[in-house]
Amino acid sequence: GENVEQHPSTLSVQEGDSAVIKCTYSDSASNYFPWYKQELGKGPQLIIDIRSNVGEKKDQRIAVTLNKTAKHFSLHITETQPEDSAVYFCAASRGGSYIPTFGRGTSLIVHP
Amino acid sequence: SAVISQKPSRDICQRGTSLTIQCQVDSQVTMMFWYRQQPGQSLTLIATANQGSEATYESGFVIDKFPISRPNLTFSTLTVSNMSPEDSSIYLCSVDKSPSGGRETQYFGPGTRLLVL
Repeated sequence: GENVEQHPSTLSVQEGDSAVIKCTYSDSASNYFPWYKQELGKGPQLIIDIRSNVGEKKDQRIAVTLNKTAKHFSLHITETQPEDSAVYFCAASRGGSYIPTFGRGTSLIVHP
Repeated sequence: SAVISQKPSRDICQRGTSLTIQCQVDSQVTMMFWYRQQPGQSLTLIATANQGSEATYESGFVIDKFPISRPNLTFSTLTVSNMSPEDSSIYLCSVDKSPSGGRETQYFGPGTRLLVL
């Protein structure tokens, strides 16, 4: 089955800095990679996703890149703000009827 | 997407007792999913619940410990039976509402935070 590794487990940045979270996956058939943000006391919320037919996708301050050859993908957050503080999960799926496999999460702390 | 609510939001229980968690969705869905999130761990799928049939459990999870009901297309319950402190976790309900009809995009409820003493 799929195995998703996520790093780092904790990331601390100053407000305004950029943050990068990296994930690797093992199943070369995976073609869908969502990212979730989980704020304290809430459930994970989908923030951005990417499919294997594109290498990069951007939505305002967040972007995701995908390297299919190396089987890794990353989440980039620019101009971080205190409200970006949360746990971020990456996931990988073959798509269709395949339920995603999640990474262990990254706790992002943005210091004002 | 979908609006999902869960009850209770949190609970503290004594070992040996059982707790039933409810999940309500604002629209009809074919599949509902139950996950466990242990501290510092990933989201682990417990089972998939399809209306009108028995739930399908993932490796390591059994029906006697985690019985699931799915009486209609907008509601499901998960019971954590004969609880021990190791069951302390966040339990999440989710649905798949991908425009393509696939299951790869999961939408989660707010979770139920369970502490077993």
